[in-house]
Amino acid sequence: DGGITQSPKYLFRKEGQNVTLSCEQNLNHDAMYWYRQDPGQGLRLIYYSQIVNDFQKGDIAEGYSVSREKKESFPLTVTSAQKNPTAFYLCASSIFRKGASGNTIYFGEGSWLTVV
Amino acid sequence: QQQVKQSPQSLIVQKGGISIINCAYENTAFDYFPWYQQFPGKGPALLIAIRPDVSEKKEGRFTISFNKSAKQFSLHIMDSQPGDSATYFCAANPSGSRLTFGEGTQLTVNP
Repeated sequence: DGGITQSPKYLFRKEGQNVTLSCEQNLNHDAMYWYRQDPGQGLRLIYYSQIVNDFQKGDIAEGYSVSREKKESFPLTVTSAQKNPTAFYLCASSIFRKGASGNTIYFGEGSWLTVV
Repeated sequence: QQQVKQSPQSLIVQKGGISIINCAYENTAFDYFPWYQQFPGKGPALLIAIRPDVSEKKEGRFTISFNKSAKQFSLHIMDSQPGDSATYFCAANPSGSRLTFGEGTQLTVNP
């Protein structure tokens, strides 16, 4: 099946630990994104990448890091510097056409991160 | 300039009624306006989208109305069903730039 796979679905982190959320897509999309969603809140962009080995900060990048070594993979690390990491994390991907809009963003099923 | 303001934050509708969610934007460079539907514990999925060269787009019970001069667009759900209960996000982006999402509307359709 084509799509975006996020793992794990549920993750618990102790304070002071780094954790990494996995995101893999087999849609052959160039662009990948990480969003954070807090209960009853909208979608806030953490990082995005339009091409392998390149990525840009979104609106709330502090305390997070990413890498894009392969086209199909865009892992997100939540570092100990992120003071309030408990949230629902969504990975997404889309075709990237420079200078064009209208590229549908497809989302994964999300990962719940809880700090204990 | 990059914001999209969405209202209401929550909406309760009776089965068979019309659900209306509104969004407003400031950036006149926005040229693509999608709506996403999200069920609890799931990722959002594209529902319907419109470009500013048309004033309305209909897909089944879902209609987007677009008012370019007012910089507003809205989602209408006709004959609302309990299965439509979800969170709806409007979004917008200019050419070559990333999507900006509204804050979301939690829709509850009572049977």
